[in-house]
This record gives sequence, structure tokens and C-alpha cells, in this order.
Amino acid sequence: KAGVTQTPRYLIKTRGQQVTLSCSPISGHRSVSWYQQTPGQGLQFLFEYFSETQRNKGNFPGRFSGRQFSNSRSEMNVSTLELGDSALYLCASSLALAGPSGANVLTFGAGSRLTVL
Amino acid sequence: AQKVTQAQTEISVVEKEDVTLDCVYETRDTTYYLFWYKQPPSGELVFLIRRNSFDEQNEISGRYSWNFQKSTSSFNFTITASQVVDSAVYFCALSERFNNDMRFGAGTRLTVKP
Repeated sequence: KAGVTQTPRYLIKTRGQQVTLSCSPISGHRSVSWYQQTPGQGLQFLFEYFSETQRNKGNFPGRFSGRQFSNSRSEMNVSTLELGDSALYLCASSLALAGPSGANVLTFGAGSRLTVL
Repeated sequence: AQKVTQAQTEISVVEKEDVTLDCVYETRDTTYYLFWYKQPPSGELVFLIRRNSFDEQNEISGRYSWNFQKSTSSFNFTITASQVVDSAVYFCALSERFNNDMRFGAGTRLTVKP
């Protein structure tokens, strides 16, 4: 069973540019979450998508956006890049939204490492 | 508000030593879920365990064991007879009942030397 696939694995951009990162969840998983990992702030939740709708959002500026397609694949976009956006961006998938049975186990991809110069 | 504290930033042990990674959490919810993840150098977070707030039974899985104590809001992780392959960053995380939004601790970097 294939895991969560993130592309690209590494990329370098300059300030002011925009970037799009892609995530393919585990087959059958319908929820996709995105996290940002930096040495200073650690792992922080960006947003969660389910059935092509954003269901939950972390405390990030509007420059950070995402979307989910009908096949559950997801993309996140960061516009007008800043130096502080340099980070490892992790995508995670789970079967469904958290519900009465509780928060689901998230399966993470290897991440996309973004460097902003 | 949710908060997870991993006070140990880095731990270094020699192979075969036992090591305990501490995790203290804060939440106002009565129903919540605690997790441990391992992050090897490759970057991928690997799921280790999920525990709900109503199950305080300790768990053992091979060389790994977890001690959950609601009275002290702690969910500690012990590796027995550590091995070099255990070297990684370990994260403790907390989720509320109806939320996949995990709040992670800062992580503990474990180095196991041969």
C-alpha cells in the first residue's frame, strides 16, 4: 500500500515568488492535513481538507491556501514568499474527519523542504 | 487551549541503556487523544501510538512502553535497551475529540551511541 506522497521533495524560491506543493494521500483516505515544521516554531497545523472543502484552519496568514481535488489529492500554495516561509511542509492523510470515535491517526508524507532566498 | 510540553530538548544515551521521554499536556477537554510520533532523518513522521483520555492503561509494544497518568497530565515514553536505530526526534501530540488538528510538542532529539 503506497504511503503519502509529496512533491517536490526540495525546492528553492526567492522572496516574492509563489509556490505550489502537492500531496497524494493513501488510497482510500479522504482527509488531508498540512503542517509546517520550522526549527523555531516546531510543527504547526496549517489546514485540513475533506471532500474538497477546507474543514479546519490554523493560524496562518491568507498567503497560505490550499485545495483538494475529487480524488482527494491536495495542493497547498504560498504566495508572496517571505524568508520565514522556509520550512519543511508536511502533508498527512487519514481515513476521515475526526468524529465520535475520536481523532484519527494521521499518516505523514516525507515532506517538501522549501528554502526561500 | 491545548498545549504539549516536551521539556527534554536532547537526550544522548549509549546503546542498551533505557531512556524515558517526557510529555506533559494541557487541555480543557475531557475527551482527548494523545500520540507519539517518531521523525527519523528522512523527515517522515512515523506513528507510534494513540491513546484516548479514558484509557489510562499502560501499554507495551516490544521495547517501547507508554505511561499515561491523567493525574499529572503526563504521557511518557520509555525505550528499553535502546538501539542506534532508535536515534530520531520524537514528538508527543494532542488532539481534541472532534478535531484532527494535532498540537505537537517541540520534540526530543534522541541520540543512541554504539
